[in-house]
Amino acid sequence: DAGVIQSPRHEVTEMGQEVTLRCKPISGHNSLFWYRQTMMRGLELLIYFNNNVPIDDSGMPEDRFSAKMPNASFSTLKIQPSEPRDSAVYFCASSLSGELFFGEGSRLTVL
Amino acid sequence: RKEVEQDPGPFNVPEGATVAFNCTYSNSASQSFFWYRQDCRKEPKLLMSVYSSGNEDGRFTAQLNRASQYISLLIRDSKLSDSATYLCVVNMGGSARQLTFGSGTQLTVLP
Repeated sequence: DAGVIQSPRHEVTEMGQEVTLRCKPISGHNSLFWYRQTMMRGLELLIYFNNNVPIDDSGMPEDRFSAKMPNASFSTLKIQPSEPRDSAVYFCASSLSGELFFGEGSRLTVL
Repeated sequence: RKEVEQDPGPFNVPEGATVAFNCTYSNSASQSFFWYRQDCRKEPKLLMSVYSSGNEDGRFTAQLNRASQYISLLIRDSKLSDSATYLCVVNMGGSARQLTFGSGTQLTVLP
């Protein structure tokens, strides 16, 4: 069975550029989460969708970050403009009944 | 005070040793508890849930102490393949969006 699929796996970009991360959740899961992981801050929840609707975006660091979920099988996390402090691993996770299933992550480096 | 605190380690133990990790949480209303495992440069995966009565899964034993607000993970007869970071996860409410992750305890099992 396919798990959560994220792309790209790695992205290196320059400060000021737009970054778009993509996620395909597990089919049938109704909740989708975007997390960011750094050595300093650990795993932080950025935003949570339920049935494609954003429920809690209090973890989104600032207006440069935005997330969408146009349908049940696709979500994007966009950073515009990117900054070096955005460098991290971004995980997408989906859930149906409590257990979180994570994708392999997108490792972002902003120079 | 962090909501979920773990000793970051690293714990370096010989193969076959028994090792225990503790985790404390600040919200006494927390409802459910988990241990996730994260291999180097991989995504977190659910290792086991933690029940009030304690639970065991092979060489792994998890326990919950609500009065003292801590959970523990015991690994017996440790294997090289147990080397990973172990994340303590606390659910403050009833849905996956209220999961709070600890920063993780790093374990290295040495031959």
